[in-house]
Amino acid sequence: QVQLQESGPGLVKPSETLSLTCTVSGGSVSSANYYWNWIRQPPGKGLEWIGYIHSRGRTSYNPSLKSRVTISVDTSKNQFSLKVSSLSAADTAVYYCARIPPNTYGSLPFDSWGQGTLVTVSS
Amino acid sequence: DIQMTQSPSSLSASVGDRVTITCRASQSISSSVNWYQQNPGTAPKLLIYAASTLQSGVPSRFSGSGSGTDFTLTISSLQPEDVATYFCQQSYSILPPTFGGGTKVEIK
Repeated sequence: QVQLQESGPGLVKPSETLSLTCTVSGGSVSSANYYWNWIRQPPGKGLEWIGYIHSRGRTSYNPSLKSRVTISVDTSKNQFSLKVSSLSAADTAVYYCARIPPNTYGSLPFDSWGQGTLVTVSS
Repeated sequence: DIQMTQSPSSLSASVGDRVTITCRASQSISSSVNWYQQNPGTAPKLLIYAASTLQSGVPSRFSGSGSGTDFTLTISSLQPEDVATYFCQQSYSILPPTFGGGTKVEIK
C-alpha cells in the first residue's frame, strides 16, 4: 500500500517562495505511467489541482498558476517537490500530494493522497 | 476550464435513506468523472472512478452513474459513517482537472 507524506514550512511570508516535498513509501516515483500531483484546498473551500510530474519526467501545470509553479522529482530519495513563488494570502491552503495510477479507463483519478499540510501566507 | 456544478450543496437524511448527489459538467465529458469522500481534517478518499467503477475497498452501497454532462453518486442506504463532504472531479480535460463545489451530507 503506497503512502504519501507532505513536509515543509507551515508559515511563509508574502512574496516569498514555498517549497514542499512529498515522500513516497510502499511504491516508487519511477513506476511506469504514474502521475504525481499537487492539489490544494483553501480553508473551508474546494479543491484546486496545481500540477503533476509524470513518471517519465513530463510536467503539466494549472494554467492559472503556471507562471509561479515548478514540480520536480528526486528518484534517489523517492520524493517529488513543489515550489510556488510570489506568494500572497490567496495561496493559504492545505496542500496535498496525490497519485494517479495507470489503467483507470482514462479517468485519471487521484487514488492515494497524503494527509495534507496547512500552509499559511502571512507576515 | 470545464466547470463541474454539484447539487445539492448540503443535505440531511436519515440512516437507511437512499441519497443521491448530482454533478453537471459544462460540456460533454464522456465518462471521465471521479467521486471522492472527505471527512473533516482529512484528505479526500476515492470512491468511484470512470463514472461507475467502485474503487477497491469501498462499500457496495456507493454507486455512480452517468455519462456526457450529467452524473450521479448514490448511497443506497445511508450509514452514520457516511457523514462527510463529497466531491466530483472531471478528468476529460487534464488541463486542468476540476472539482465540483462539494456536497455536505449529514444525518437527520
